[in-house]
Amino acid sequence: GQNIDQPTEMTATEGAIVQINCTYQTSGFNGLFWYQQHAGEAPTFLSYNVLDGLEEKGRFSSFLSRSKGYSYLLLKELQMKDSASYLCAVWSDSWGKFQFGAGTQVVVTP
Amino acid sequence: KAGVTQTPRYLIKTRGQQVTLSCSPISGHRSVSWYQQTPGQGLQFLFEYFSETQRNKGNFPGRFSGRQFSNSRSEMNVSTLELGDSALYLCASSPKGEDTQYFGPGTRLTVL
Repeated sequence: GQNIDQPTEMTATEGAIVQINCTYQTSGFNGLFWYQQHAGEAPTFLSYNVLDGLEEKGRFSSFLSRSKGYSYLLLKELQMKDSASYLCAVWSDSWGKFQFGAGTQVVVTP
Repeated sequence: KAGVTQTPRYLIKTRGQQVTLSCSPISGHRSVSWYQQTPGQGLQFLFEYFSETQRNKGNFPGRFSGRQFSNSRSEMNVSTLELGDSALYLCASSPKGEDTQYFGPGTRLTVL
Protein backbone atom coordinates (compact mmCIF):
# COMPACT_ATOMS: atom_id res chain seq x y z
CA GLY A 1 0.00 0.00 0.00
CA GLN A 2 0.87 3.65 0.21
CA ASN A 3 2.39 4.76 3.52
CA ILE A 4 1.80 8.44 3.92
CA ASP A 5 3.63 10.33 6.62
CA GLN A 6 2.87 13.80 7.85
CA PRO A 7 3.52 15.50 11.20
CA THR A 8 0.87 15.12 13.87
CA GLU A 9 0.65 18.73 14.99
CA MET A 10 2.08 22.16 14.24
CA THR A 11 1.58 25.43 16.04
CA ALA A 12 2.07 28.90 14.59
CA THR A 13 0.98 32.45 15.32
CA GLU A 14 -1.49 34.54 13.39
CA GLY A 15 0.11 36.14 10.34
CA ALA A 16 2.94 33.62 10.18
CA ILE A 17 3.72 30.92 7.60
CA VAL A 18 3.50 27.19 8.20
CA GLN A 19 4.73 24.38 5.95
CA ILE A 20 3.20 20.91 6.29
CA ASN A 21 5.32 18.14 4.80
CA CYS A 22 4.00 14.89 3.41
CA THR A 23 6.02 11.92 2.22
CA TYR A 24 4.65 8.87 0.44
CA GLN A 25 5.73 5.71 -1.30
CA THR A 26 5.90 6.37 -5.03
CA SER A 27 4.66 3.07 -6.44
CA GLY A 28 1.83 3.72 -8.91
CA PHE A 29 1.57 7.37 -7.90
CA ASN A 30 -0.89 9.34 -9.95
CA GLY A 31 -1.81 12.43 -7.98
CA LEU A 32 -1.54 14.10 -4.59
CA PHE A 33 -4.35 15.98 -2.90
CA TRP A 34 -4.56 18.22 0.14
CA TYR A 35 -7.74 18.59 2.18
CA GLN A 36 -8.66 20.80 5.11
CA GLN A 37 -10.90 19.45 7.84
CA HIS A 38 -12.29 21.54 10.66
CA ALA A 39 -13.33 19.71 13.82
CA GLY A 40 -16.64 17.95 13.38
CA GLU A 41 -16.86 18.78 9.68
CA ALA A 42 -16.13 16.99 6.42
CA PRO A 43 -12.82 17.41 4.58
CA THR A 44 -12.82 20.11 1.93
CA PHE A 45 -10.58 20.05 -1.13
CA LEU A 46 -7.64 22.47 -1.15
CA SER A 47 -5.26 21.49 -3.92
CA TYR A 48 -4.15 18.86 -6.41
CA ASN A 49 -0.65 18.16 -7.75
CA VAL A 50 0.22 15.61 -10.40
CA LEU A 51 3.29 17.26 -11.95
CA ASP A 52 6.41 18.44 -10.16
CA GLY A 53 6.39 22.01 -9.00
CA LEU A 54 4.44 24.57 -7.08
CA GLU A 55 0.71 25.26 -7.37
CA GLU A 56 -0.43 28.53 -5.82
CA LYS A 57 -3.97 29.33 -4.75
CA GLY A 58 -4.19 32.55 -2.80
CA ARG A 59 -2.72 32.08 0.66
CA PHE A 60 -2.25 28.35 0.10
CA SER A 61 0.42 26.72 -2.09
CA SER A 62 1.26 23.09 -2.65
CA PHE A 63 4.51 21.62 -3.94
CA LEU A 64 5.27 18.19 -5.35
CA SER A 65 8.44 16.25 -6.10
CA ARG A 66 7.48 12.91 -7.62
CA SER A 67 11.02 11.52 -7.66
CA LYS A 68 11.37 12.16 -3.93
CA GLY A 69 7.84 11.12 -2.97
CA TYR A 70 7.45 14.46 -1.24
CA SER A 71 4.92 17.23 -1.05
CA TYR A 72 4.26 20.20 1.16
CA LEU A 73 1.36 22.52 1.79
CA LEU A 74 2.32 26.10 2.57
CA LEU A 75 -0.12 28.28 4.47
CA LYS A 76 0.75 31.98 4.40
CA GLU A 77 -0.62 34.90 6.43
CA LEU A 78 -2.18 32.50 8.88
CA GLN A 79 -5.61 33.35 10.22
CA MET A 80 -7.39 31.90 13.24
CA LYS A 81 -9.85 30.15 10.92
CA ASP A 82 -6.94 28.15 9.46
CA SER A 83 -6.84 26.11 12.68
CA ALA A 84 -7.81 22.70 11.34
CA SER A 85 -6.49 19.30 10.37
CA TYR A 86 -4.77 19.11 6.98
CA LEU A 87 -4.90 15.78 5.20
CA CYS A 88 -2.49 14.61 2.52
CA ALA A 89 -3.97 12.02 0.15
CA VAL A 90 -2.42 10.04 -2.69
CA TRP A 91 -4.11 8.30 -5.59
CA SER A 92 -2.24 5.22 -6.75
CA ASP A 93 -3.05 3.51 -10.05
CA SER A 94 -1.61 0.26 -8.81
CA TRP A 95 -3.78 0.41 -5.74
CA GLY A 96 -6.85 1.86 -7.42
CA LYS A 97 -7.88 4.03 -4.51
CA PHE A 98 -7.00 6.98 -2.34
CA GLN A 99 -4.79 6.61 0.70
CA PHE A 100 -5.05 9.38 3.31
CA GLY A 101 -2.44 10.43 5.79
CA ALA A 102 -3.42 10.70 9.44
CA GLY A 103 -3.63 14.49 9.17
CA THR A 104 -1.65 17.39 10.63
CA GLN A 105 -3.44 19.44 13.24
CA VAL A 106 -2.51 23.10 12.78
CA VAL A 107 -3.10 25.33 15.76
CA VAL A 108 -3.03 29.07 15.11
CA THR A 109 -2.44 31.21 18.19
CA PRO A 110 -3.09 34.95 18.56
CA LYS B 1 -24.47 22.40 -8.28
CA ALA B 2 -25.67 20.86 -5.07
CA GLY B 3 -22.97 19.18 -3.00
CA VAL B 4 -22.79 15.66 -1.67
CA THR B 5 -25.57 14.92 0.78
CA GLN B 6 -25.71 12.21 3.42
CA THR B 7 -28.58 11.01 5.54
CA PRO B 8 -29.08 10.71 8.38
CA ARG B 9 -26.57 13.11 9.94
CA TYR B 10 -26.68 11.48 13.36
CA LEU B 11 -27.62 7.99 14.42
CA ILE B 12 -27.64 6.15 17.73
CA LYS B 13 -27.90 2.36 17.70
CA THR B 14 -27.28 -0.47 20.11
CA ARG B 15 -24.93 -3.41 19.71
CA GLY B 16 -26.24 -6.10 17.43
CA GLN B 17 -28.49 -3.83 15.41
CA GLN B 18 -27.95 -2.97 11.78
CA VAL B 19 -27.83 0.41 10.09
CA THR B 20 -28.14 1.79 6.57
CA LEU B 21 -26.57 5.07 5.57
CA SER B 22 -27.34 6.96 2.38
CA CYS B 23 -25.27 9.17 0.12
CA SER B 24 -26.33 11.28 -2.86
CA PRO B 25 -23.36 12.37 -4.99
CA ILE B 26 -22.89 15.56 -6.92
CA SER B 27 -24.89 15.46 -10.14
CA GLY B 28 -22.85 13.83 -12.90
CA HIS B 29 -20.43 12.10 -10.54
CA ARG B 30 -20.38 8.36 -11.10
CA SER B 31 -17.93 7.34 -8.38
CA VAL B 32 -18.89 7.15 -4.73
CA SER B 33 -16.41 6.17 -2.02
CA TRP B 34 -17.10 5.51 1.63
CA TYR B 35 -14.74 6.17 4.53
CA GLN B 36 -14.78 5.57 8.25
CA GLN B 37 -13.14 8.22 10.39
CA THR B 38 -12.21 7.72 14.01
CA PRO B 39 -9.85 9.76 16.19
CA GLY B 40 -7.36 6.93 16.49
CA GLN B 41 -7.37 5.60 12.92
CA GLY B 42 -7.97 8.64 10.75
CA LEU B 43 -9.74 8.21 7.42
CA GLN B 44 -10.06 4.53 6.50
CA PHE B 45 -11.28 3.51 3.05
CA LEU B 46 -14.31 1.20 3.06
CA PHE B 47 -15.23 0.77 -0.61
CA GLU B 48 -15.78 2.54 -3.89
CA TYR B 49 -18.63 2.17 -6.34
CA PHE B 50 -18.65 3.22 -9.95
CA SER B 51 -21.62 2.73 -12.26
CA GLU B 52 -23.29 0.35 -9.78
CA THR B 53 -20.19 -1.87 -9.47
CA GLN B 54 -17.90 -2.14 -6.49
CA ARG B 55 -14.46 -1.39 -7.87
CA ASN B 56 -12.41 -1.54 -4.71
CA LYS B 57 -12.73 -2.55 -1.10
CA GLY B 58 -10.80 -1.73 2.03
CA ASN B 59 -9.87 -4.02 4.90
CA PHE B 60 -13.16 -4.15 6.73
CA PRO B 61 -15.15 -7.22 7.78
CA GLY B 62 -18.05 -8.50 5.71
CA ARG B 63 -20.49 -6.81 8.10
CA PHE B 64 -19.81 -3.68 6.08
CA SER B 65 -21.46 -3.70 2.68
CA GLY B 66 -22.70 -1.23 0.15
CA ARG B 67 -24.42 -0.73 -3.12
CA GLN B 68 -24.97 1.90 -5.77
CA PHE B 69 -28.09 2.60 -7.71
CA SER B 70 -28.50 3.58 -11.34
CA ASN B 71 -28.80 7.26 -10.37
CA SER B 72 -25.38 6.98 -8.60
CA ARG B 73 -26.88 7.28 -5.14
CA SER B 74 -25.21 4.88 -2.76
CA GLU B 75 -26.01 3.16 0.49
CA MET B 76 -23.81 1.40 2.97
CA ASN B 77 -25.01 -1.11 5.49
CA VAL B 78 -23.42 -2.28 8.70
CA SER B 79 -24.88 -5.38 10.27
CA THR B 80 -24.44 -6.71 13.80
CA LEU B 81 -23.12 -3.41 15.10
CA GLU B 82 -20.22 -3.37 17.54
CA LEU B 83 -19.11 -0.63 19.90
CA GLY B 84 -16.03 -0.08 17.74
CA ASP B 85 -18.21 0.87 14.79
CA SER B 86 -18.89 4.23 16.42
CA ALA B 87 -17.39 6.71 13.98
CA LEU B 88 -18.01 9.41 11.44
CA TYR B 89 -18.91 7.82 8.12
CA LEU B 90 -18.08 9.96 5.14
CA CYS B 91 -18.95 9.51 1.54
CA ALA B 92 -17.15 11.27 -1.28
CA SER B 93 -18.06 11.57 -4.92
CA SER B 94 -15.98 12.26 -8.00
CA PRO B 95 -16.59 12.11 -11.73
CA LYS B 96 -14.37 9.10 -12.39
CA GLY B 97 -12.86 7.98 -9.09
CA GLU B 98 -9.22 8.96 -9.48
CA ASP B 99 -9.95 12.65 -9.63
CA THR B 100 -10.80 15.13 -6.91
CA GLN B 101 -13.17 13.73 -4.32
CA TYR B 102 -15.83 15.91 -2.74
CA PHE B 103 -17.02 14.90 0.67
CA GLY B 104 -20.47 14.94 2.17
CA PRO B 105 -21.08 16.19 5.72
CA GLY B 106 -20.94 12.68 7.14
CA THR B 107 -23.11 10.52 9.34
CA ARG B 108 -22.05 10.32 12.95
CA LEU B 109 -22.90 6.83 14.22
CA THR B 110 -22.87 6.07 17.91
CA VAL B 111 -23.20 2.46 19.02
CA LEU B 112 -24.22 1.92 22.64
